[in-house]
Amino acid sequence: GESVGLHLPTLSVQEGDNSIINCAYSNSASDYFIWYKQESGKGPQFIIDIRSNMDKRQGQRVTVLLNKTVKHLSLQIAATQPGDSAVYFCAEGGSNDYKLSFGAGTTVTVRA
Amino acid sequence: NAGVMQNPRHLVRRRGQEARLRCSPMKGHSHVYWYRQLPEEGLKFMVYLQKENIIDESGMPKERFSAEFPKEGPSILRIQQVVRGDSAAYFCASSPLMGDPVDEQYFGPGTRLTVT
Repeated sequence: GESVGLHLPTLSVQEGDNSIINCAYSNSASDYFIWYKQESGKGPQFIIDIRSNMDKRQGQRVTVLLNKTVKHLSLQIAATQPGDSAVYFCAEGGSNDYKLSFGAGTTVTVRA
Repeated sequence: NAGVMQNPRHLVRRRGQEARLRCSPMKGHSHVYWYRQLPEEGLKFMVYLQKENIIDESGMPKERFSAEFPKEGPSILRIQQVVRGDSAAYFCASSPLMGDPVDEQYFGPGTRLTVT
């Protein structure tokens, strides 16, 4: 099957700086993308999603960008805080396709 | 509101034993999904169920694994004759509806299965 991949398995960020986590996907039929945050010992927590008819969506301190031309997805976290330390996964799905495909994850560590 | 609940949180089984993992979806949710996460990897879809129906089990290993979601009670993922390779975190997610496009899935805390 096709997979969702992430650039850079780890990211170290100074507290207060902005973080950018990247994700490459290969299934051009995917039209729904989600970012999840997973803290140690917990299940994935929904952060933000975006449909393929959009190229940008903003939430609280987070922004997701979608570039369908190069099949690239990114998550920007503004003013990164210690509580943002976690593994971040991008996941993709398609219309009428409930199966989410996850990438391997990027571990974000926030330095005080 | 209680979220998705899974139990047990940790399960240790010897090779050859059976493992039963339980998942109670969020209130009002009637769709349940099971995913498996191996160490250092992302989640992999296993099975999608509605009440009393298996909709898609394309991600389930052909042998030893089964899932159900009865009319009453939690969804159960059953692994018979466990082997070391079954050691993983198993996550359940639920959603209120399946539509076009896919609705948000809410994940439980997972069951960490260790096979010794």
